[in-house]
Amino acid sequence: EIVMTQSPATLSVSPGERATLSCRASQSVSSNLAWYQQKPGQAPRLLIYGASTRATGIPARFSGSGSGTEFTLTFSSLQSEDFAVYYCQQYNSWPLTFGQGTRLEIK
Amino acid sequence: EVQLLESGGGLVQPGGSLRLSCAASGLTFSSYAMSWVRQAPGKGLEWVSAISASGGTTYYADSVQGRFTISRDSSKNTLYLQMNSLRAEDTAVYYCAKRMIPFGGVSYYFDYWGQGNLVTVSS
Repeated sequence: EIVMTQSPATLSVSPGERATLSCRASQSVSSNLAWYQQKPGQAPRLLIYGASTRATGIPARFSGSGSGTEFTLTFSSLQSEDFAVYYCQQYNSWPLTFGQGTRLEIK
Repeated sequence: EVQLLESGGGLVQPGGSLRLSCAASGLTFSSYAMSWVRQAPGKGLEWVSAISASGGTTYYADSVQGRFTISRDSSKNTLYLQMNSLRAEDTAVYYCAKRMIPFGGVSYYFDYWGQGNLVTVSS
């Protein structure tokens, strides 16, 4: 099983600032990585797939990068609606696995 | 608009059974693989099971292998999860999710999710 490790667990950032979340895979997943956003009481929302391709309707301030074992999700300028929990998910091999999540909170 | 509506959750005793349903609309259901993902209270996401568009191939997490069965009925546009021998650690909100890419392939990531359905296993 591929273990996905996200860091940091919590990130405190002020609106308008840039932020970067990390996701590391225990073995290579190529570019088979997705990012999701989850707000309290809501289902996850797909942000990024293929490590760097934004899903339909996702603003350009969200960007993903990386391949192999190291990935990042970057926010160019945080908006109030971006404060949520973010999960990475690998789909390179079964079982599918998620990271434990990074909580992005308002500083 | 794609909509996924789960039902069937609730309180069940350890060792009991429950069947979750996920009614899909707004899509050609038979073209898309589907999956179940769960989230224990206050915890992260855990993938549970997936089924191919045709229903011919299924996948399970080790934690549920042999206890849970995923299935689909394309005539009813509905996904199911039969859960047997339930344990306290199966307590979670269960989401059904639609694979983004239609038909075959190995890229299982999910662009539409249901609202979630709480399953509580407790005596």
